[in-house]
Amino acid sequence: GEDVEQSLFLSVREGDSSVINCTYTDSSSTYLYWYKQEPGAGLQLLTYIFSNMDMKQDQRLTVLLNKKDKHLSLRIADTQTGDSAIYFCAESIKGGSYIPTFGRGTSLIVHP
Amino acid sequence: KAGVTQTPRYLIKTRGQQVTLSCSPISGHRSVSWYQQTPGQGLQFLFEYFSETQRNKGNFPGRFSGRQFSNSRSEMNVSTLELGDSALYLCASSPGTSGTHNEQFFGPGTRLTVL
Repeated sequence: GEDVEQSLFLSVREGDSSVINCTYTDSSSTYLYWYKQEPGAGLQLLTYIFSNMDMKQDQRLTVLLNKKDKHLSLRIADTQTGDSAIYFCAESIKGGSYIPTFGRGTSLIVHP
Repeated sequence: KAGVTQTPRYLIKTRGQQVTLSCSPISGHRSVSWYQQTPGQGLQFLFEYFSETQRNKGNFPGRFSGRQFSNSRSEMNVSTLELGDSALYLCASSPGTSGTHNEQFFGPGTRLTVL
């Protein structure tokens, strides 16, 4: 079955880079997502990557995928206080229902 | 386009009561999924509706049910409420095209408190 794990907390200083890590269990054909949840709001899809890719960059966000270790990371460059939120890693299986399975979420706290 | 809307945003009920939550998807989206979010269990998938039919289902007891109307709006019902049902209930809509990845767009959620 699917299982997605991520660390619960990360604290960084404003202007530094943040790296949020995630491990997943399923195999070959998988979509991997990063979602952001701000207080009192639903989830916002930040980016996604298919498991045959190694990297995806979108402005301040860089996603790195290590398929061998089933490890996914989200790097936020020049982290701002507005980036403080909970970040969820999620996985869905190509050819399945495509319903994502979510990790528990990483709370990112950005100090001024 | 208007986003996903959920009503009500906050709800307080007592044990044993039943509750109905509503979700209006983005115009043109035919799939609506429901999730329960709690601090202890994280985000758990409840069910997905597509074209008025339940297409996928998570591992929740029969007290949790849903339906979808011809305009794609969806309702979720929880009967015989328990304290453990206190959670943020999130709805997500997507185009629903089968056999391919569909981006999900989430609503702000309904915060249910059971006393």
